[in-house]
Amino acid sequence: GAVVSQHPSWVICKSGTSVKIECRSLDFQATTMFWYRQFPKQSLMLMATSNEGSKATYEQGVEKDKFLINHASLTLSTLTVTSAHPEDSSFYICSARVAGGDNEQFFGPGTRLTVL
Amino acid sequence: DAKTTQPPSMDCAEGRAANLPCNHSTISGNEYVYWYRQIHSQGPQYIIHGLKNNETNEMASLIITEDRKSSTLILPHATLRDTAVYYCIVRVNQAGTALIFGKGTTLSVSS
Repeated sequence: GAVVSQHPSWVICKSGTSVKIECRSLDFQATTMFWYRQFPKQSLMLMATSNEGSKATYEQGVEKDKFLINHASLTLSTLTVTSAHPEDSSFYICSARVAGGDNEQFFGPGTRLTVL
Repeated sequence: DAKTTQPPSMDCAEGRAANLPCNHSTISGNEYVYWYRQIHSQGPQYIIHGLKNNETNEMASLIITEDRKSSTLILPHATLRDTAVYYCIVRVNQAGTALIFGKGTTLSVSS
């Protein structure tokens, strides 16, 4: 099956710094990638939809200037959390849709971000 | 907003069938029913999906009622590794449409 990877799997950073999370589709091309955030004991919340070569579409309440998304190629999307604060600590999960496929979404393993 | 209703938790004995219900009474004609599961601290895993016919794969069976207002995911022989949160999601099969997760059902399989 299609494999999506994320890097890093976990990261700890100081408040005020920026953190970049990578999402890669390893064995397929992904025209669309999605970013989710999950707080403890809660469900996944969609943050944004990213299409290769164009600007991401953010969900209501998600600050686009704080969560920078770049989808420069068909196999890579990045999420940068700028000026991170403790309230940004969360589990970030990306998923990718196969280009030309039947719209199945494949999920990465997630990245645990802890901001001190 | 999630368009499905699931019980918050269920228990199942190892080796028995786990039947997870989902209510989606407002489903539209072009919306599919998807099931994913999430094992603790991992990304969601696709299980199965269907439109109106019952579906079966190596992981599970999906039974959709004739009026499509509810469905049941069946794990025929639950194991301890099936302990996870199970999400039932309805979505049109359209490019660029994201999966929207509700609260899901926490299935606990015990020996």
